[in-house]
Amino acid sequence: NAGVTQTPKFQVLKTGQSMTLQCAQDMNHEYMSWYRQDPGMGLRLIHYSVGAGITDQGEVPNGYNVSRSTTEDFPLRLLSAAPSQTSVYFCASRPRQGPDTEAFFGQGTRLTVV
Amino acid sequence: DAKTTQPPSMDCAEGRAANLPCNHSTISGNEYVYWYRQIHSQGPQYIIHGLKNNETNEMASLIITEDRKSSTLILPHATLRDTAVYYCIATIYKKTSYDKVIFGPGTSLSVIP
Repeated sequence: NAGVTQTPKFQVLKTGQSMTLQCAQDMNHEYMSWYRQDPGMGLRLIHYSVGAGITDQGEVPNGYNVSRSTTEDFPLRLLSAAPSQTSVYFCASRPRQGPDTEAFFGQGTRLTVV
Repeated sequence: DAKTTQPPSMDCAEGRAANLPCNHSTISGNEYVYWYRQIHSQGPQYIIHGLKNNETNEMASLIITEDRKSSTLILPHATLRDTAVYYCIATIYKKTSYDKVIFGPGTSLSVIP
């Protein structure tokens, strides 16, 4: 059981470049989310999805796009990378709506924008 | 989600119990208290959750006050591997609303040899 898989683990981008951070889960979870984590701060929610075809914004959505065409995948796109987007990005999934669920996190993507 | 407040850092001697407090004075009746931890730069890991009753699993115990305004995560015999940032979250899952759990800065626990 792979759980939540994020790729790549590390990435360096130049300002203005675009890229997609991949997130895949094999647990058939309905909920998926993207967070960013900056030094000394907790996790801040970027975008989230409650199922295929449904996405919404979190706390810090500017500069990021998402889509959810399948239950398994939830890619995060940076259209024009900026140094302020240097961060560690975590993807998470949750099994279902309901109180007794826990979130499963990927191991993160460390992104540096120069 | 109710706002939670945690101390920024704590120390604990190895082998002793680590008691991590969390204040959630605005919690509503149907919000659960969840605890996660993040070791070094890894992805956060679920520890335990509860609604009203105290809970225990193989990792920890969760004590929730009777008025539910605060809770304590207890690691009964802390080891060096328990050094991590611990997050306390109060949240509800509704069928008619979207899930967007928000993490605060948490408590950085250092287990000292």
